[in-house]
Amino acid sequence: KAGVTQTPRYLIKTRGQQVTLSCSPISGHRSVSWYQQTPGQGLQFLFEYFSETQRNKGNFPGRFSGRQFSNSRSEMNVSTLELGDSALYLCASSLGPDRGGGYTFGSGTRLTVV
Amino acid sequence: LAKTTQPISMDSYEGQEVNITCSHNNIATNDYITWYQQFPSQGPRFIIQGYKTKVTNEVASLFIPADRKSSTLSLPRVSLSDTAVYYCLVGDYSSASKIIFGSGTRLSIRP
Repeated sequence: KAGVTQTPRYLIKTRGQQVTLSCSPISGHRSVSWYQQTPGQGLQFLFEYFSETQRNKGNFPGRFSGRQFSNSRSEMNVSTLELGDSALYLCASSLGPDRGGGYTFGSGTRLTVV
Repeated sequence: LAKTTQPISMDSYEGQEVNITCSHNNIATNDYITWYQQFPSQGPRFIIQGYKTKVTNEVASLFIPADRKSSTLSLPRVSLSDTAVYYCLVGDYSSASKIIFGSGTRLSIRP
């Protein structure tokens, strides 16, 4: 079965712009979570969605937002980009809370802010 | 939230068995132990998960002592393609926010 698909794979944006990243989970998975990975901070949890509802949010500013659609696909948006937002953004899907099975990650979107 | 401690880096040679130990002293009763592998510019890939004793799959074994305060990932007969960062995670999976990635162990395999 198809894995977690993230688009685009690479992105270059200018400071002050906004960006939208997309994540399509594994078929049947209803939970999608987002992470930011940087060399300095490692993998940090951004937010988690289940059945179109945000369940949890990490310690990130309000410029970071997301949503989930009825088909479980998810998007995250970063407004007013800063240089420090340059990172690998990873999406992971799972069956749902307490459903076991672990999290399956996509290959990520490499965002570079210049 | 259970915190994990792993060696920052390890080196080994092709064909050797590699054991990476993770310490998780405050693991909770409902927590599972999961290991992920990550190559540069890719997302982490699930390797193995366990709750207690020993778990084995086609790529690795996971040893968990009775007190569950540590775990050891065993990679048999490693190859150059096993060079990656390995993360030990502890959590109950009721929420992604409870799954904390530590710094991981950077494993380098030499010919």
